[in-house]
Amino acid sequence: DAKTTQPPSMDCAEGRAANLPCNHSTISGNEYVYWYRQIHSQGPQYIIHGLKNNETNEMASLIITEDRKSSTLILPHATLRDTAVYYCIVRYDNYGQNFVFGPGTRLSVLP
Amino acid sequence: KAGVTQTPRYLIKTRGQQVTLSCSPISGHRSVSWYQQTPGQGLQFLFEYFSETQRNKGNFPGRFSGRQFSNSRSEMNVSTLELGDSALYLCASSLGAALTGELFFGEGSRLTVL
Repeated sequence: DAKTTQPPSMDCAEGRAANLPCNHSTISGNEYVYWYRQIHSQGPQYIIHGLKNNETNEMASLIITEDRKSSTLILPHATLRDTAVYYCIVRYDNYGQNFVFGPGTRLSVLP
Repeated sequence: KAGVTQTPRYLIKTRGQQVTLSCSPISGHRSVSWYQQTPGQGLQFLFEYFSETQRNKGNFPGRFSGRQFSNSRSEMNVSTLELGDSALYLCASSLGAALTGELFFGEGSRLTVL
């Protein structure tokens, strides 16, 4: 699975959009980009995943660049409850649950 | 529907002892995996079970083992505990019959080894 690089921490004002970047320059053609988050003392929570096209769900939007070497997770209106560590993971979509979690980005939403 | 349930939530053991942790997946989920989370190493994959068979295994010593029962419930065991085994142990489940997609995690079992 390709390696990802994320900033260690970011701040965002409550109510504003939070844009979390992820670099995955060695991604291969059939590797997916996944985002999970972990709120303090809880298990990770799935947010979204995508292959090539931009994706949106009730939690967030995922923007993948055309060359697929980077992506951005967008939380459109961040709330204090979105304060968490956000993990970007690149992997082949197969039948396995063996995700490789990096250190992630610690997002702090400020009032 | 009920989420992934892990028991016990907290436990304290001493070096050399062994421990068994339990995980009940979401109803209908057939795949269960275990992760270890420590401040130094982060989240690391231990192993995965699907239909009572180990499907994937991470890079952990043989002291770490697991199993899955016919009702998809899973247990993991750590023998001869070491101080470094102190961690949050997380269980995740998924349908397992199709592409991975979304994993559902429990709240974890926090093990302290003294």
